[in-house]
Amino acid sequence: SQQGEEDPQALSIQEGENATMNCSYKTSINNLQWYRQNSGRGLVHLILIRSNEREKHSGRLRVTLDTSKKSSSLLITASRAADTASYFCGSGNTGKLIFGQGTTLQVKP
Amino acid sequence: DTGVSQNPRHKITKRGQNVTFRCDPISEHNRLYWYRQTLGQGPEFLTYFQNEAQLEKSRLLSDRFSAERPKGSFSTLEIQRTEQGDSAMYLCASSLEGQGSGNTIYFGEGSWLTVV
Repeated sequence: SQQGEEDPQALSIQEGENATMNCSYKTSINNLQWYRQNSGRGLVHLILIRSNEREKHSGRLRVTLDTSKKSSSLLITASRAADTASYFCGSGNTGKLIFGQGTTLQVKP
Repeated sequence: DTGVSQNPRHKITKRGQNVTFRCDPISEHNRLYWYRQTLGQGPEFLTYFQNEAQLEKSRLLSDRFSAERPKGSFSTLEIQRTEQGDSAMYLCASSLEGQGSGNTIYFGEGSWLTVV
């Protein structure tokens, strides 16, 4: 069974707009990792945020973590058509990651 | 660092046949994970190894599934007597774990299985 849920399940925006997707998880975690997956491909790692961190940035990506609400968000600023993909958060506790169903992002040129 | 390598990338097999997938983790990564992903779903955890020891197996891993990592390097995932419900992408991942709160887990490109 999946531990987490991503919200929304699907998101469609215009190029240049910001995209925000949320992730919730059920049990306590050591870290949370966000991934991108293009159709038919493997998962590409984006950001790891540890349970004692509240926010991390990487280029156009900003991730927040609220352990009291058991939730995280991924913000992609100034989106590009190449950002079109599915995005997953994996919540980690005992070593493995547990994933939700992901958010499918479509960025229209 | 050549990334996590999986072979074969695609496999079509007849129901009832056995299949084996191989995963070569990133060099010196001591942890290796197997996941399964079906269309429209997120990856589901199957099992993971720390060196050659299999530390955890999901209830999803039925008796027909067996994973090994004999020398703590590459791993194989075998599915016996395949069923149509086994059709999925099988993802391998690896990480370098020590003490602490976990490190980045890197995934391979996956192995697609189609059971006909």
